[in-house]
Amino acid sequence: GAGVSQTPSNKVTEKGKYVELRCDPISGHTALYWYRQSLGQGPEFLIYFQGTGAADDSGLPNDRFFAVRPEGSVSTLKIQRTERGDSAVYLCASTNQGDTEAFFGQGTRLTVV
Amino acid sequence: AQKITQTQPGMFVQEKEAVTLDCTYDTSDQSYGLFWYKQPSSGEMIFLIYQGSYDEQNATEGRYSLNFQKARKSANLVISASQLGDSAMYFCAMREEFQGAQKLVFGQGTRLTINP
Repeated sequence: GAGVSQTPSNKVTEKGKYVELRCDPISGHTALYWYRQSLGQGPEFLIYFQGTGAADDSGLPNDRFFAVRPEGSVSTLKIQRTERGDSAVYLCASTNQGDTEAFFGQGTRLTVV
Repeated sequence: AQKITQTQPGMFVQEKEAVTLDCTYDTSDQSYGLFWYKQPSSGEMIFLIYQGSYDEQNATEGRYSLNFQKARKSANLVISASQLGDSAMYFCAMREEFQGAQKLVFGQGTRLTINP
């Protein structure tokens, strides 16, 4: 596609439920990043993929959060046993080698009620 | 650890005026990159401008320029001739390089409102 695509754009879930957030990066981009943006804050790094492997997952807040990128393109961020504090906008970005900037999607707004 | 500080939660400017958004940073790295992103209400982060730590000239991109003062560790964004469409959140960010990753560390942002 022309840009980074994230689905769904909005997700409302009940506390304790499991959710999956999808990111479709720019075609051919090898690096993919997930960020979380809480209300009134700047985005915070969660995890980075180079190809299929998670090269840096140091930003994942706890073991309820997990992400995969099985074929080196689409990535899914998975959150188990959601909590109200997980409510935020989850942003995905992709880059290719040599790119100066990261290209972001429009985000998924997750609301846990 | 790297840190970005944006001290202006909100700015209000008249259309066609210039505006400066402040950003200071903290890092012990010699090589780093500084970015400004715009986030309209639609939510996506739009890249505006980049400054490398070794670049001697201040970066410019159309109406955007970055006032880079390395000794003061500041990287202020200047928008000339502001337009109504410039109303948005603006984030300053620093690139942190680690094992091939180019993670971005963001400030808390400044909400810019352009008044007609």
